[in-house]
Amino acid sequence: KQEVTQIPAALSVPEGENLVLNCSFTDSAIYNLQWFRQDPGKGLTSLLLIQSSQREQTSGRLNASLDKSSGRSTLYIAASQPGDSATYLCAARLSINYNQGGKLIFGQGTELSVKP
Amino acid sequence: GAGVSQSPSNKVTEKGKDVELRCDPISGHTALYWYRQSLGQGLEFLIYFQGNSAPDKSGLPSDRFSAERTGGSVSTLTIQRTQQEDSAVYLCASSPGVGLAGKETQYFGPGTRLLVL
Repeated sequence: KQEVTQIPAALSVPEGENLVLNCSFTDSAIYNLQWFRQDPGKGLTSLLLIQSSQREQTSGRLNASLDKSSGRSTLYIAASQPGDSATYLCAARLSINYNQGGKLIFGQGTELSVKP
Repeated sequence: GAGVSQSPSNKVTEKGKDVELRCDPISGHTALYWYRQSLGQGLEFLIYFQGNSAPDKSGLPSDRFSAERTGGSVSTLTIQRTQQEDSAVYLCASSPGVGLAGKETQYFGPGTRLLVL
């Protein structure tokens, strides 16, 4: 059974700091891994999707890496800003029957607070 | 529409009543997902629809839960005889496709907050 874990559960940093959020998964047979952010009382916003054949994806100040062999993904946020404050969730998509069943297994999330 | 929409945004009901939650996916998206987010449980997969294929119902917690997707577009999640433990935020998502690189990004709606008294 695929389990996804995120550490730390909460993180508080001063504005401008670079930071790393961690995500680990128990089953390395993933099809892709996705990172989302969730603002309080809102739905999820997709940030980055990494296919299993890729090692990293970048979007602006965000960089996500994937190491299937070790069952780990990291989300790097450069020059953090107060607007980055949100809960960040990673989710793994299993590769079994890859063209069927796109359901995601989510981690519990990391609540990030960036202080001005 | 521009994004995934869900209705109602909030629902308060009494234990034992049935509720229906609606999801309008992004036009043209073939895959639709329902998830539930509750305190202490995180985000859990409920059910998934892809085109005309049989839905993946493996995440539904009990037979009180059912969902349908009419015409490959709008979906309704129905909870019968609601219980207090059904209180949660129910999130719907859609994606352009499945099994195609670059087509699996899931776009989420704002959710329906269900409170069962």
